[in-house]
Amino acid sequence: DIQMTQSPSTLSASVGDRVTITCRASQTVSPWLAWYQQKPGKAPKLLIYKASSLESGVPSRFSGSGSGTEFTLTISSLEPDDFATYYCQQYNSYWTFGQGTKVEVK
Amino acid sequence: QVQLVESGGGLVKPGGSLRLSCAASGFTFSDYYMIWIRQAPGKGPEWVSYISDSGKTTFYADSVKGRFTISRDNAANSLYLQMNSLRVEDTAVYYCAREGGTLLPLDFWGQGTLVTVSS
Repeated sequence: DIQMTQSPSTLSASVGDRVTITCRASQTVSPWLAWYQQKPGKAPKLLIYKASSLESGVPSRFSGSGSGTEFTLTISSLEPDDFATYYCQQYNSYWTFGQGTKVEVK
Repeated sequence: QVQLVESGGGLVKPGGSLRLSCAASGFTFSDYYMIWIRQAPGKGPEWVSYISDSGKTTFYADSVKGRFTISRDNAANSLYLQMNSLRVEDTAVYYCAREGGTLLPLDFWGQGTLVTVSS
């Protein structure tokens, strides 16, 4: 099974900050890597697919990069609505999610 | 617009059974592969089971193999998960989700239904 590891687990930031979250896979999954945003009590929402493709309707301040086993999600300028938990997910072989990164108010 | 609405969750004793349903609307249900995902409190999501568009192909996570059965009724635009021999560790919010297409991830999720397994 492919394992996904995110870092950090928690990230404290302020509105306007540039935020970067890292995701590592236990084996290559490239380019089948997605990022989701989840708010409390809600289902995850797809942000990025195929490592760097922006889902329709998602603001352009979100971007994804990486290949092989290492990937990043970047929020260029944090907005109040962006405080949430973010998950990476590989869909190269079945589906595996990371443990999540909570972006909280500093 | 695409909507997925789960139902059937609740409190059940260890060893018991539940059947979850997911009603789909706003898209051609029979064109899409569907998946059940669960999320235990404070944990990341975990895939549970997957079914092809026709229903002929199914996959299960090792943790539920032999206990859970996924099925679909394309005429009724519905997805199901029959859960037997439930364990405490099956406690989670269960989501149905749509696979966006070939080599695409899960693009729409339902709101989830809570399954609690406790004596």
